[in-house]
Amino acid sequence: DAGVIQSPRHEVTEMGQEVTLRCKPISGHDYLFWYRQTMMRGLELLIYFNNNVPIDDSGMPEDRFSAKMPNASFSTLKIQPSEPRDSAVYFCASSLGVTSYEQYFGPGTRLTVT
Amino acid sequence: GENVEQHPSTLSVQEGDSAVIKCTYSDSASNYFPWYKQELGKRPQLIIDIRSNVGEKKDQRIAVTLNKTAKHFSLHITETQPEDSAVYFCAPKWGSQGNLIFGKGTKLSVKP
Repeated sequence: DAGVIQSPRHEVTEMGQEVTLRCKPISGHDYLFWYRQTMMRGLELLIYFNNNVPIDDSGMPEDRFSAKMPNASFSTLKIQPSEPRDSAVYFCASSLGVTSYEQYFGPGTRLTVT
Repeated sequence: GENVEQHPSTLSVQEGDSAVIKCTYSDSASNYFPWYKQELGKRPQLIIDIRSNVGEKKDQRIAVTLNKTAKHFSLHITETQPEDSAVYFCAPKWGSQGNLIFGKGTKLSVKP
């Protein structure tokens, strides 16, 4: 398996623009997680899904952020409109679930909002 | 929610010395205790984990010890090498789902 795949790897956009980050989890994994990492706030969980259903989105900063998982092999994190304070590295991770809680992280998307 | 604290936040050791990082958590129902390593510019990766029915686990130069009564677990690295330099995160499982709560991280520097 290729591991967790994220795209794009880098994104530079202007304030006010819509940003869509994409993730393909490892095949067969039941859980998918979206994290944001900054120097100031560390690694924050934004939202996670179990079998494509959102379980906890309490980490989503505000209504500008939304996430979907239309099927077991694809998820998106959308920011609309983007702001400079959204600049961060966004990681997607997946795990098997009860049999193994190990989370496999994707390479991350470095987002810069100017 | 779960409260996770790591100490120290930074740690500098000489090559060959040992390093210990401690993680305290608040959820007494936690039953899975992993440590992740993140090298500069890379993704976090699991290096060792332990379940609540075991007190200690070793894998070559790294080990994790668990004290459920006191609600803390520690990462031990012996004979440190420059390639051990990284940020280490503890991430105890919280709740009934597969959710991990990551600590703030400990930056370990190993000086040759």
